[in-house]
Amino acid sequence: QVQLVQSGAEVKTPGASVTVSCKASGYIFTNNYVFWARQAPGEGLEWMGLINPSGGSTTYAQKFQGRLTLTRDTSLSTVYLELNSLRSEDTAVYFCARVPELGRFDPWGQGTLVTVSS
Amino acid sequence: QSALTQTASVSGSPGQSITISCTGTSSDVGSYNLVSWYQQYPGKAPKLIIYDVSQRPTGVSNRFSGSKSGNTASLTISGLQAEDEAEYYCCSYAGSRTFVLFGGGTTLTVL
Repeated sequence: QVQLVQSGAEVKTPGASVTVSCKASGYIFTNNYVFWARQAPGEGLEWMGLINPSGGSTTYAQKFQGRLTLTRDTSLSTVYLELNSLRSEDTAVYFCARVPELGRFDPWGQGTLVTVSS
Repeated sequence: QSALTQTASVSGSPGQSITISCTGTSSDVGSYNLVSWYQQYPGKAPKLIIYDVSQRPTGVSNRFSGSKSGNTASLTISGLQAEDEAEYYCCSYAGSRTFVLFGGGTTLTVL
């Protein structure tokens, strides 16, 4: 079955960077975009960016421009989220999801908690 | 652009029907039939339950249905069950620049 499995929880200090991985299985990796969103504690969902695993092209939400980098490794069927210059407000659960068609996200990875604290 | 507007909470008794609304603008909900709905249990990942306004993915109960009128989309859950108690988020495509907007979420309580 289609599955996205993310890397484990991270604890970072302010100013540091974090990388979260998302390994896809059960489908042809290069056939579908992968989407990233995050959810701060007790808050709603916020989209961050999108990557096309086929060519590596990316789209970022304006809020994260310059601080967010999405990459992929097709040999590992894995996409990576790197967020720089972390601050306490970046404490959240980060999710990846497959984009089977425009405007829908299915399935989602299990989520990765990133805690930013001094 | 601002997030889509959802009622913060809704409740219903087992067997009843409830409707959750999601209000956007003519630039998002009103312009595209690309509204999706997600169900999320505490500490879990969101799950797609409706896409393209009213389509159900395979395996999702037909108790869940979606619709849209103008700038407002709606999710209706009929025959409420205890297992429906969760957070529900709407999402709309908003064009190539903004991409998508999410609603703030609605907490469904089954009494």
